[in-house]
Amino acid sequence: GNSVTQMEGPVTLSEEAFLTINCTYTATGYPSLFWYVQYPGEGLQLLLKATKADDKGSNKGFEATYRKETTSFHLEKGSVQVSDSAVYFCALTGGYQKVTFGIGTKLQVIP
Amino acid sequence: GAGVSQSPSNKVTEKGKDVELRCDPISGHTALYWYRQSLGQGLEFLIYFQGNSAPDKSGLPSDRFSAERTGGSVSTLTIQRTQQEDSAVYLCASSRLAGDYNEQFFGPGTRLTVL
Repeated sequence: GNSVTQMEGPVTLSEEAFLTINCTYTATGYPSLFWYVQYPGEGLQLLLKATKADDKGSNKGFEATYRKETTSFHLEKGSVQVSDSAVYFCALTGGYQKVTFGIGTKLQVIP
Repeated sequence: GAGVSQSPSNKVTEKGKDVELRCDPISGHTALYWYRQSLGQGLEFLIYFQGNSAPDKSGLPSDRFSAERTGGSVSTLTIQRTQQEDSAVYLCASSRLAGDYNEQFFGPGTRLTVL
């Protein structure tokens, strides 16, 4: 079956630091890949997505590239802000509609 | 426009009681999904509706769990004879159409606590 593995947190960074959250996946076929974000007290929101190999998803300064050869979709941001503090979920849909999520990585950015 | 809404936002119940959780999807969205977010276990898929039918119920953890959707809109998730391990945040999502390319929009969730 499909699965998503992402680094466990919490990750604590200083403001303006570089962020990488690793994500690898196992899936049959050609899944679409997503990063969702959950800010404190709020619901899940789609952050970015990529639907085929070598696609780069980007939003709010975050980027992730669909790497089929390494089955990875690592999330990066060049300079994090305190407002980026949240839980980040890597996810995929493959074959049909349900979303398979990773366990989530909590990011805390300190001033 | 209005997003996905869920009610109640919090529910505390005693072990053995039945509970009903409600989801109002975004108007016009034909696909509806239920997920469960448990501490330390991430998010797990429960069930998916296309219109009023549920092509995939594979994620329901036991026969105590059931869900229905009427009129292609509101859905209820029912948990009978609740157990402490049912404590979690139950999330509902909807999408305009079913399919990989259709973004799922999530509601704020219902936090269920079984004492």
